Amino acid sequence: DSGVTQTPKHLITATGQRVTLRCSPRSGDLSVYWYQQSLDQGLQFLIQYYNGEERAKGNILERFSAQQFPDLHSELNLSSLELGDSALYFCASSVGASAYEQYFGPGTRLTVT
Amino acid sequence: DAKTTQPPSMDCAEGRAANLPCNHSTISGNEYVYWYRQIHSQGPQYIIHGLKNNETNEMASLIITEDRKSSTLILPHATLRDTAVYYCIADPAGGTSYGKLTFGQGTILTVHP
Repeated sequence: DSGVTQTPKHLITATGQRVTLRCSPRSGDLSVYWYQQSLDQGLQFLIQYYNGEERAKGNILERFSAQQFPDLHSELNLSSLELGDSALYFCASSVGASAYEQYFGPGTRLTVT
Repeated sequence: DAKTTQPPSMDCAEGRAANLPCNHSTISGNEYVYWYRQIHSQGPQYIIHGLKNNETNEMASLIITEDRKSSTLILPHATLRDTAVYYCIADPAGGTSYGKLTFGQGTILTVHP
């Protein structure tokens, strides 16, 4: 158990819909990272927040957005969903802003039908 | 970020040492070598990292060649639970990459009874 929690575990929704994935970092960690893992693209970095502010951005689609709240939990919002958005979405956390020792949550499996 | 090359798959007998190689011939002086593993659709797990000296922790040992162009992750007594995809990542600590981890294809390690 990494100490990072993600909800929900599974999500099934239809194309065109909007969903919100939630992540609670380990106690004391200020950074939250979001990654997407699909069969064809592998594990890809989406975005990082540090203490409420966006710190780094990867190949995140414009239909996707994220935020980190004052209590440090984070949400990833995915809108206008397409079949290709079906993937595992992982959240990770770390103490600092430039930490490569990251602790990953169990993931949310999103299925778009 | 330096490109890393790993064999796509390896086998190991239970109880024996598993030696996973990684080539990072273009690594620069400020780039660390990080190892993560992912056990079947679970969140990736941090294993170990190093810059130029060999490192050991409770999970594994990391041997980095003197020219830093390659490294080997050693699991001293592999168990069936070590069956996973192992990722070698070379990234600078800090700087503009912050904590963005770039995962490649990794090595699928299968531990046999």
